[in-house]
Amino acid sequence: GAVVSQHPSRVICKSGTSVKIECRSLDFQATTMFWYRQFPKQSLMLMATSNEGSKATYEQGVEKDKFLINHASLTLSTLTVTSAHPEDSSFYICSARDIVWDRNQPQHFGDGTRLSIL
Amino acid sequence: AQTVTQSQPEMSVQEAETVTLSCTYDTSENNYYLFWYKQPPSRQMILVIRQEAYKQQNATENRFSVNFQKAAKSFSLKISDSQLGDTAMYFCAFNPAGSQGNLIFGKGTKLSVKP
Repeated sequence: GAVVSQHPSRVICKSGTSVKIECRSLDFQATTMFWYRQFPKQSLMLMATSNEGSKATYEQGVEKDKFLINHASLTLSTLTVTSAHPEDSSFYICSARDIVWDRNQPQHFGDGTRLSIL
Repeated sequence: AQTVTQSQPEMSVQEAETVTLSCTYDTSENNYYLFWYKQPPSRQMILVIRQEAYKQQNATENRFSVNFQKAAKSFSLKISDSQLGDTAMYFCAFNPAGSQGNLIFGKGTKLSVKP
């Protein structure tokens, strides 16, 4: 089955640090990747949609200068939280859509990254 | 705007019993897909079951089945013979046909299976 690798799984860092999270599709090509943020006991909130080779589309209220997204290849998208602060602490999940559209499974999810800013 | 509503924030069920989680959605589209995802404490998102709107037959996957009522825009999940490993958050999700694979999630239902 389609596998999405998200790295790192856990990050603890000091306030002001920039943190990069990687999302890789291991056995398929992904034209589209999605980045979600999930607060404790809440649903997944879509932050942005990234398409390979073009600029990401951010959801309303998400600061594009704060959350930099790069989708440089068909297998890799990165999310960089710039100058992170404690309020950025959260669980971040990526997902990927196969270049070969599968209506039965529109997105394949990574295992998430727990980000803690001290 | 398309929305997904899960009206039960938390539910509990005894092991081996049956439980039904409710989900309603709002859309003007005729073609779309519906999903139930499970998120256990490990936080991994696991696809449980899917339903295509143009299929009248309710989807079934082992102990999991859905009651899809298109006219009522209802998509409930029934878990039979509940097991302790079913304890998780369950999210209902809507995927418009022709979209980029976008998923619209409900707020989730926390299910606890008690021994």
